[in-house]
Amino acid sequence: SQTIHQWPATLVQPVGSPLSLECTVEGTSNPNLYWYRQAAGRGLQLLFYSVGIGQISSEVPQNLSASRPQDRQFILSSKKLLLSDSGFYLCAWSVFLAGEQYFGPGTRLTVT
Amino acid sequence: AQKITQTQPGMFVQEKEAVTLDCTYDTSDQSYGLFWYKQPSSGEMIFLIYQGSYDEQNATEGRYSLNFQKARKSANLVISASQLGDSAMYFCATAGNQFYFGTGTSLTVIP
Repeated sequence: SQTIHQWPATLVQPVGSPLSLECTVEGTSNPNLYWYRQAAGRGLQLLFYSVGIGQISSEVPQNLSASRPQDRQFILSSKKLLLSDSGFYLCAWSVFLAGEQYFGPGTRLTVT
Repeated sequence: AQKITQTQPGMFVQEKEAVTLDCTYDTSDQSYGLFWYKQPSSGEMIFLIYQGSYDEQNATEGRYSLNFQKARKSANLVISASQLGDSAMYFCATAGNQFYFGTGTSLTVIP
């Protein structure tokens, strides 16, 4: 069966520090991968998605970037965090772009 | 662009009763999918049910069913025999060329 992992589970970082969140999927090949952010009490905002190694689509201009160095690995990064980057970050995968997505446990990021 | 509207920010239901969570969508895609997710307080997003735009029958998964009315562009989630563990946020989503989530409905099941 397929499993999706995210780490760390929680993170507290000062403004201006770098960020690296990692997501890995097991049990499937060539998944579509997604990064979402959820502000407190809000819906999900799609940040990036990837249909293959090295292929990244950005949905909103922001202080973040994403990379996919391996088939089942998706990384969310920032060089300098802003207060507005605080939120709950969720990674997801799907077989088809228009198909159901399966989510990881998420990372709660607090920028202080 | 697609848009998802969930007009009920909060809902309450008595345990063992049925509840309907509303969702309307706006899309210009000919083919699309509709989804419902549950997000308990732990934060994980749990996939509940899927309906394809060309499916003629309403989707059903256990106690969850999707009341799909294509002409009205609505995809309401029906939860039968509510349980205390159903208390959570529920998100409607659509996927065609892109994936869009609604703002969610908070469901509280009262014992």
